[in-house]
Amino acid sequence: GAVVSQHPSRVICKSGTSVKIECRSLDFQATTMFWYRQFPKQSLMLMATSNEGSKATYEQGVEKDKFLINHASLTLSTLTVTSAHPEDSSFYICSAVAALAGYQETQYFGPGTRLLVL
Amino acid sequence: AQSVAQPEDQVNVAEGNPLTVKCTYSVSGNPYLFWYVQYPNRGLQFLLKYITGDNLVKGSYGFEAEFNKSQTSFHLKKPSALVSDSALYFCAVRPPLWSGTYKYIFGTGTRLKVLA
Repeated sequence: GAVVSQHPSRVICKSGTSVKIECRSLDFQATTMFWYRQFPKQSLMLMATSNEGSKATYEQGVEKDKFLINHASLTLSTLTVTSAHPEDSSFYICSAVAALAGYQETQYFGPGTRLLVL
Repeated sequence: AQSVAQPEDQVNVAEGNPLTVKCTYSVSGNPYLFWYVQYPNRGLQFLLKYITGDNLVKGSYGFEAEFNKSQTSFHLKKPSALVSDSALYFCAVRPPLWSGTYKYIFGTGTRLKVLA
């Protein structure tokens, strides 16, 4: 149980294009999802908190117009990197917190999406 | 400021020997504590957590962790290391329920290398 998927697992795009990454909780409903970015050999950097049916909450320094987050249902959140540039190349990881009482403290992580912007 | 420290960037251990990966935290109240493992180019896999109760928590793949409130530590342990345990390990802390946040505070990660 508590499986989170991400799609795509890897994407290469040209500079200036937009890329959408999907995060799905496969066997549970998630009230809250998180989006992280991880640089090589570093820890995770929280980008934003996504709550179903409401606007995402962005961390300081994260451009909300560049990293669009939509949490359309209790099992799906999407991150769109708009007008991507090479410096956006990174490993993006999502996580989800179950809506079920007693399971709300644990984040379950997706497998990550490797984005390379040329 | 709230923080989580993993003082060792890397831990080397011989296969079959016990391993310890250290984690200390500075968070007010009674936080929730977690360990995750990350293999190359993969997301984080949940290993174990401490919410309340017995200070020794057992988790996946034979790992366990001991919560020490007085030392504000939550060290990860395994009695006998396997080469396949080689990975990046993250300690994470979530502030207490009354804080109203699900956000984690992550340590910087410790790379475990188990030598055959």
